Amino acid sequence: GAGVSQSPSNKVTEKGKDVELRCDPISGHTALYWYRQRLGQGLEFLIYFQGNSAPDKSGLPSDRFSAERTGESVSTLTIQRTQQEDSAVYLCASSSHGQGLGNTIYFGEGSWLTVV
Amino acid sequence: AQSVSQHNHHVILSEAASLELGCNYSYGGTVNLFWYVQYPGQHLQLLLKYFSGDPLVKGIKGFEAEFIKSKFSFNLRKPSVQWSDTAEYFCAVKAFYSGGYQKVTFGTGTKLQVIP
Repeated sequence: GAGVSQSPSNKVTEKGKDVELRCDPISGHTALYWYRQRLGQGLEFLIYFQGNSAPDKSGLPSDRFSAERTGESVSTLTIQRTQQEDSAVYLCASSSHGQGLGNTIYFGEGSWLTVV
Repeated sequence: AQSVSQHNHHVILSEAASLELGCNYSYGGTVNLFWYVQYPGQHLQLLLKYFSGDPLVKGIKGFEAEFIKSKFSFNLRKPSVQWSDTAEYFCAVKAFYSGGYQKVTFGTGTKLQVIP
């Protein structure tokens, strides 16, 4: 597609349930990032995928969080046994590899997660 | 690990005032630098970016930023702000490591409020 696409755009879930958030990066972008933004706060790095390399999971806050990416396409962020503190906007971004001018990081519109 | 610091968390200016938002990073190797803006209720948009060459880069809406390598800084400037510039501004650094690994780190953001 033309941009980074995320779904669902809004999700309200009950505490304790699992949720799955999807990100469809820009075609051809090998790098894919997940960030979390709590209300009124900055961007919190979660996980980074680069091609077929092992993902950088250093930002995942707990073992309830996991993410997968198939090749250089869609990624899924899964949150198990959701807690109220998981309520946030989950942002996905993608970019091409390398240092050139086309290497801008493009963001999706985010998935707003509310845990009640 | 690299870090990105935005020391101004909340800035309040009157219209037509000049703006400078600080951004400092810690990584000594090759970097690409970005400023993103998030208007209220909207997703992150790219303001400007630096990859190489002229350290003074110009972006959209009259914004510019200067990369000073010796100071590890990439400050954002605008000579005369408008009410419509009210938003949150994020500095981001993409650091390139050996073996092709790269990582993007965002600052915590600066909320700019412009008073008419």
